[in-house]
Amino acid sequence: DTEVTQTPKHLVMGMTNKKSLKCEQHMGHRAMYWYKQKAKKPPELMFVYSYEKLSINESVPSRFSPECPNSSLLNLHLHALQPEDSALYLCASSLSGRPNTEAFFGQGTRLTVV
Amino acid sequence: QKEVEQDPGPLSVPEGAIVSLNCTYSNSAFQYFMWYRQYSRKGPELLMYTYSSGNKEDGRFTAQVDKSSKYISLFIRDSQPSDSATYLCAMSSGSARQLTFGSGTQLTVLP
Repeated sequence: DTEVTQTPKHLVMGMTNKKSLKCEQHMGHRAMYWYKQKAKKPPELMFVYSYEKLSINESVPSRFSPECPNSSLLNLHLHALQPEDSALYLCASSLSGRPNTEAFFGQGTRLTVV
Repeated sequence: QKEVEQDPGPLSVPEGAIVSLNCTYSNSAFQYFMWYRQYSRKGPELLMYTYSSGNKEDGRFTAQVDKSSKYISLFIRDSQPSDSATYLCAMSSGSARQLTFGSGTQLTVLP
């Protein structure tokens, strides 16, 4: 099983809303990631959790708040987003706790901020 | 100059053709190399993972790494319309904070 599951698949939210994206993997992977991908661009790393601890924050605005409740779950809390935050948000995981190794991606949450 | 260069295409080929997708890189410390396939509006799917130089084959796909030339390739044999997608190369070094992606090549295989 090489599956990373993300919910919801689509999300439309207003600029004053609070919402959360969820990610789950049961592969025993020790690192989990959030990426943001704009159309026709490669994924951009946002956050890395290694062994359930936040190890990398790529200078992401505080309106994005990650959370790792346990080794299988990863959340991304969203608050007061801007229309330019509309994108495909991807969760990924890797067996190693290091962020520079092969990563398995979920199908993404397509977020639209109105 | 970007660390990883990838021809964005688009690339169109007839069904059954051999496809060659390529990336060049400038960081000689890169030693982990990956190819991802991404269908429209879906997440990237890991196709091939290679450590250091050499070839790796998996079905119709062959990944090739030439570290002396800083060049990696993905070959697709007997291409199918279902191979139509964007292909992303990714690579990293042992000490890197993250993967470095190419910009992606959009491939269309025509029936």
